[in-house]
Amino acid sequence: AQKITQTQPGMFVQEKEAVTLDCTYDTSDQSYGLFWYKQPSSGEMIFLIYQGSYDEQNATEGRYSLNFQKARKSANLVISASQLGDSAMYFCAMREGMMNYGGSQGNLIFGKGTKLSVKP
Amino acid sequence: KAGVTQTPRYLIKTRGQQVTLSCSPISGHRSVSWYQQTPGQGLQFLFEYFSETQRNKGNFPGRFSGRQFSNSRSEMNVSTLELGDSALYLCASSPGQKEVETQYFGPGTRLLVL
Repeated sequence: AQKITQTQPGMFVQEKEAVTLDCTYDTSDQSYGLFWYKQPSSGEMIFLIYQGSYDEQNATEGRYSLNFQKARKSANLVISASQLGDSAMYFCAMREGMMNYGGSQGNLIFGKGTKLSVKP
Repeated sequence: KAGVTQTPRYLIKTRGQQVTLSCSPISGHRSVSWYQQTPGQGLQFLFEYFSETQRNKGNFPGRFSGRQFSNSRSEMNVSTLELGDSALYLCASSPGQKEVETQYFGPGTRLLVL
């Protein structure tokens, strides 16, 4: 079973509007982290935002916010006031805590990504 | 602080050859992970190094190997290249001190195998 599911292969949004990118996850760990990364066509993976499983408040970073619903196991990314430069692939990822890996940190598990296109 | 750097950025090899990719983590970061990204398989974890020791490994054949040096720089090596090894190889670093940490990625190395 997939651990990270992004159901939107592609999305369009009008410049200056808000957009929500969906992400659901599956884990039995109590301690885990959820991440969103942006990948422009250049290929570099740019970290956007992080939400820890024990964080009670939704994470925010500038125009990015993470709508964390733990019971539903969802971690949707909200981008407010979209800009043309936001056009890129967006990946949701999870990193499980150390307990499963004999002391080592778990690797990032990525979803398949959502291609966001911002229209002028 | 300078970000994660990877060299070379682009590489063309032929089947059967071997290749070495290099990654320099953010200063002070001791954990380095490698990922392979292909259109078909997406992003897949290769391995993670911490303090010169491999402490986590993904499901890749033994042709893929890596190492980490005392200054935390890491290299990954792919021997006997196959066409399917064509991919973007991403390196990521994190401090390696907390249970769950953000990984910061480099620009990647695009490998084309002909």
